[in-house]
Amino acid sequence: GENVEQHPSTLSVQEGDSAVIKCTYSDSASNYFPWYKQELGKGPQLIIDIRSNVGEKKDQRIAVTLNKTAKHFSLHITETQPEDSAVYFCAAGTGFQKLVFGTGTRLLVSP
Amino acid sequence: ETGVTQSPTHLIKTRGQQVTLRCSSQSGHNTVSWYQQALGQGPQFIFQYYREEENGRGNFPPRFSGLQFPNYSSELNVNALELDDSALYLCASSSGTPISDTQYFGPGTRLTVL
Repeated sequence: GENVEQHPSTLSVQEGDSAVIKCTYSDSASNYFPWYKQELGKGPQLIIDIRSNVGEKKDQRIAVTLNKTAKHFSLHITETQPEDSAVYFCAAGTGFQKLVFGTGTRLLVSP
Repeated sequence: ETGVTQSPTHLIKTRGQQVTLRCSSQSGHNTVSWYQQALGQGPQFIFQYYREEENGRGNFPPRFSGLQFPNYSSELNVNALELDDSALYLCASSSGTPISDTQYFGPGTRLTVL
């Protein structure tokens, strides 16, 4: 079955810096790769997603890149702000069935 | 547009008891997926319901069961609770087509088993 690895587990940056979180997946059949932000006591919130027919997608300060050959995908946050502090999860899925999640990255943005 | 809602918010049970958790899907969505999130971990897929039928199951024992109603709301039932069942239970709804499979999560139900 699918296995998703996520690094780093914690990431501390200064406000205004960029943050990069990386994930790898094992199942070449996976074709959908969402990223979720989870704040304390809340459910995961979708922040951006990408499908296997696209190599890069950007939404304001957030971008995701996908390398299907290497089975890597990454989240890039530019101009980080304190409110970006949260736990971020990557996931991989096929069609509309189950998502397999990474273990999460705790991002701390210091003012 | 109403988002995904779950009830109750918190629940405390004792080992061996049974529990039912509820989820109302986002307006227009016909698919509900349930996930278990242990403390400090990513969500793990339990099962998915599509138009009232189970449509995929993760590596969870049969004492985890579910139901989806005609209005696409859903229930997760767990029998014979064990201490390790303590977790945040999340449901996510989606529109149930291969083209639009984005899953939107509810706030979760925090279950504590003593």
